[in-house]
Parts: sequence; structure tokens; C-alpha cells
Amino acid sequence: DTAVSQTPKYLVTQMGNDKSIKCEQNLGHDTMYWYKQDSKKFLKIMFSYNNKELIINETVPNRFSPKSPDKAHLNLHINSLELGDSAVYFCASSQQANYGYTFGSGTRLTVV
Amino acid sequence: SQQGEEDPQALSIQEGENATMNCSYKTSINNLQWYRQNSGRGLVHLILIRSNEREKHSGRLRVTLDTSKKSSSLLITASRAADTASYFCATDALGALTFGKGTMLLVSP
Repeated sequence: DTAVSQTPKYLVTQMGNDKSIKCEQNLGHDTMYWYKQDSKKFLKIMFSYNNKELIINETVPNRFSPKSPDKAHLNLHINSLELGDSAVYFCASSQQANYGYTFGSGTRLTVV
Repeated sequence: SQQGEEDPQALSIQEGENATMNCSYKTSINNLQWYRQNSGRGLVHLILIRSNEREKHSGRLRVTLDTSKKSSSLLITASRAADTASYFCATDALGALTFGKGTMLLVSP
């Protein structure tokens, strides 16, 4: 069984559209994250939630809005998509400090 | 801002050889972690070393940490073609992991 699952795996959409990426973890972890990986493979933290509460909100356009209905889910909604939003988005979870993260397999978003 | 910097950016070796990757970081840390990413896949956690530890082993992996120099190294011994991947160091200092740019390792049969 997949520990951290993201859907969809691929997303191709036009500029200006609104899209959502879903993430679920079945590990019982308290903290979930969204990372963006650009074309040069650089990973940047976007958001962090602990038990449904927003902990980290890095400098991300407010077109990006995370939603955590419960501690097992952290979805990412993106409004008015732009070409520069094209990237791979990774969801991850962790139990607590000094533990490794478990990553999902990523969502490759292509904005055309 | 980026915390870790891996060196080299790319490394090409033959199967059976050892691979060493280095990571430098800028601020105080709680721990440092290494991850592997195969092409088109998610990141996989390899090993975590706490700030009060100096060396850690896991199978063919050996990680060292020098907090005075703010640096770490990952050694993969007796490399295999399946070790071909990108390797990232990540530091836990601000409540979430901050990743370096990674080292691309190519192991040729």
C-alpha cells in the first residue's frame, strides 16, 4: 500500500485555469508538506501543516492555497495557472522532528 | 534561501567503485538527512544524522557530519548500476527540510 499518494500523476492544463492536486498519507504522521521541484531539480518548501494547522507558508503566490481537511490529507489548489507554475510538486509527511520524510511520487504539472 | 550545497554536481563511476558526495550548509541544524531520487520518481529517505553525531552507517552507506565545518559527506561503497540517481542532502533547521541542489550519480556497468 502506498504510504503517501498524490493524484494526479500528470496534469496538463492551459494558462488561467484552476487546478487541484490531492495528497493522502496512511502513515499516521502529524505533519505534511508541499514541495516544488523546478526543471533544475531544486526542491523548495511551499507549505507545512501540522495536525491540520498551517505551520510554514513560504513566499508563494497567493494563487496557491493549501487545504487540510484532516491530518491525513493535504491538498493544493492553484488558481489562474501561469507558465512559471510548470514543475513537479511533491507531497511529503513526517512524524516528528528528527525523523525522515516520506515523499509521494510527485505530480508533474505542465501549463501551456 | 537554499541551505545545502552538494558537491560534485555530477559524478560518473564504474560499478564496484566507491562514490563520495559532499554537502555544505550555512546555519545551525538539528539534523542532516540524505535522500535519493531516481529519474521521474519521488525522494527516498536514506539516512539521518543528528547534530550530536559524527558518523553513521546503513548498509553500504556511510555518512559523516562535521558541525564545525558545517559539512557532511555520503559515501556509497561498492556501487551498483542501481545506485544511479540524484542524491540530495537536506537540513532540518527551520521546521521543514531545506534541500541542496543534489549530486547526479551515474554508475556504469
